[in-house]
Amino acid sequence: DAKTTQPPSMDCAEGRAANLPCNHSTISGNEYVYWYRQIHSQGPQYIIHGLKNNETNEMASLIITEDRKSSTLILPHATLRDTAVYYCIVLPGYQKVTFGTGTKLQVIP
Amino acid sequence: EAGVAQSPRYKIIEKRQSVAFWCNPISGHATLYWYQQILGQGPKLLIQFQNNGVVDDSQLPKDRFSAERLKGVDSTLKIQPAKLEDSAVYLCASSSRQGKTNTGELFFGEGSRLTVL
Repeated sequence: DAKTTQPPSMDCAEGRAANLPCNHSTISGNEYVYWYRQIHSQGPQYIIHGLKNNETNEMASLIITEDRKSSTLILPHATLRDTAVYYCIVLPGYQKVTFGTGTKLQVIP
Repeated sequence: EAGVAQSPRYKIIEKRQSVAFWCNPISGHATLYWYQQILGQGPKLLIQFQNNGVVDDSQLPKDRFSAERLKGVDSTLKIQPAKLEDSAVYLCASSSRQGKTNTGELFFGEGSRLTVL
């Protein structure tokens, strides 16, 4: 399985952009990058995914480097409700969704 | 659209007792997952069903854990006998399929928190 590396924690000021990095240097050509987040005491929530192009939806933007060895999830205007653990997942061909320990994002007022 | 339903939300039992958790996935979702999340860790996949067949149960402790998905809809996860280290949140998730493959977009329930004393 391709593995991911994320910083264990990050802080972000409320209203500023939160940029969460993820390294996935062993990713294969047909593997997607998925991002989830888990707010305290809730189940994980899907945010966004991509293959090689940058993606944007109402929640976030995903920037994948040209060599696909890393990606960045961008929350454009972080709010206190964005405080959560963010998981970067590389999806292998047989679709086994495996979570690591993620990045704990703390949005500071 | 109704989400993934799980029950009970909380359960406290003594070690060596048994417990069962129930999950009803989103209507039409063929794939159902059970995850175990120990405090401070990411969710760990226990078992994955495709309709009523098991796709992956490689991390399910089969000496004490069992799961079934009769009729390919709702599912039950059982622990018997429970150990102290089984204290965790048990998350159920479901996903739809695109063609012959599952999507990576999982929809999770709120989880069932188990405390084993």
